[in-house]
Amino acid sequence: GNSVTQMEGPVTLSEEAFLTINCTYTATGYPSLFWYVQYPGEGLQLLLKATKADDKGSNKGFEATYRKETTSFHLEKGSVQVSDSAVYFCALSERGAQKLVFGQGTRLTINP
Amino acid sequence: DGGITQSPKYLFRKEGQNVTLSCEQNLNHDAMYWYRQDPGQGLRLIYYSQIVNDFQKGDIAEGYSVSREKKESFPLTVTSAQKNPTAFYLCASSPTGQGRTYEQYFGPGTRLTVT
Repeated sequence: GNSVTQMEGPVTLSEEAFLTINCTYTATGYPSLFWYVQYPGEGLQLLLKATKADDKGSNKGFEATYRKETTSFHLEKGSVQVSDSAVYFCALSERGAQKLVFGQGTRLTINP
Repeated sequence: DGGITQSPKYLFRKEGQNVTLSCEQNLNHDAMYWYRQDPGQGLRLIYYSQIVNDFQKGDIAEGYSVSREKKESFPLTVTSAQKNPTAFYLCASSPTGQGRTYEQYFGPGTRLTVT
């Protein structure tokens, strides 16, 4: 079946550090890929998405590139801020399927 | 503004009581979903509905029930049969149709505590 594996957290960085959160997937067909962010006590917000190989999704300084050859969708940001502290979820949706498969989430803490 | 509302934000119930969580959306989305999130955990799908008057069980449907009488509304009932109901419950909706990527949009969640 389809699955998403994220790097285990928690991840702690200093402000202005470079961020990478790894995400790999297993899927039949050609899934769409998503990153969601969850701030404490809130619902999930769609951060970015990519729908086909080599697509790059980007938003608020975050980027992720759909790599079909390595089945990966790693999240990156060049310079993190304290306000980026949250839990990040990688997810996939296979074409024609109306459900998302989520990774376990990675808790990120940014220290000033 | 379009969005998803869940009410209430915090809910407290005594063990043995059924409780219904509200979810309303004005995004004109056909599909709606209910998830459960436990502390430090990912999301687990409870039920989902792709169209009015139709719904399917997710991965952890036991002890829960839903209805979908209107496109805008997808209430979740946590029954007394649910052995460990204390959790954070998230509702989501998604546009459907050919060419869609099925990204889901989430409400703010309801934190249910059963004692």
